[in-house]
Amino acid sequence: AQSVTQPDIHITVSEGASLELRCNYSYGATPYLFWYVQSPGQGLQLLLKYFSGDTLVQGIKGFEAEFKRSQSSFNLRKPSVHWSDAAEYFCAVGLYNQGGKLIFGQGTELSVKP
Amino acid sequence: NAGVMQNPRHLVRRRGQEARLRCSPMKGHSHVYWYRQLPEEGLKFMVYLQKENIIDESGMPKERFSAEFPKEGPSILRIQQVVRGDSAAYFCASSNPGTGFWEQFFGPGTRLTVL
Repeated sequence: AQSVTQPDIHITVSEGASLELRCNYSYGATPYLFWYVQSPGQGLQLLLKYFSGDTLVQGIKGFEAEFKRSQSSFNLRKPSVHWSDAAEYFCAVGLYNQGGKLIFGQGTELSVKP
Repeated sequence: NAGVMQNPRHLVRRRGQEARLRCSPMKGHSHVYWYRQLPEEGLKFMVYLQKENIIDESGMPKERFSAEFPKEGPSILRIQQVVRGDSAAYFCASSNPGTGFWEQFFGPGTRLTVL
């Protein structure tokens, strides 16, 4: 079945530690790929996106993500986490023949320990 | 430059009442999308509209739900005869036709509670 999977429901990291959030998709063709962040009670903010080209994409707030076609993955990384990064993170895909329809994973909640 | 605006931010309705959720897209944006976030779940696409047209409503429940985006004024998501299962956060997003439908900017959401 076509899907977007974020295997980790909740992750806790120490402030200053590195972070990797996983995202896998299951679609026949390479979709457009996105990472969003949602702070409590807020809407979603786009962190970064991948359409084509360089498989390592840089985003806002020091985040980056790497597209790996062989693994159908688009993992989000940050070298050093700040307490303000605590939030929920959503991976999403868009299919070229379903313009406008973003398909979201279940989300990963990130907690940051001092 | 105001972002996507949604109102009300919180809405409480009793079972059987109607809920109307409004979304004002960013200035210059003529594409609007509605998503629903059930508790502990990710967002689910509901509908994609352009001015006066429904482009994709594949995620809309078949009954009780409707959406419009008139030539003038905000987009409206209407839920008739609400039930407890409609309790969720409803997010609106908008995009600019010049940059296409993948650059979606989200509003803060309307949190609907059905008693």
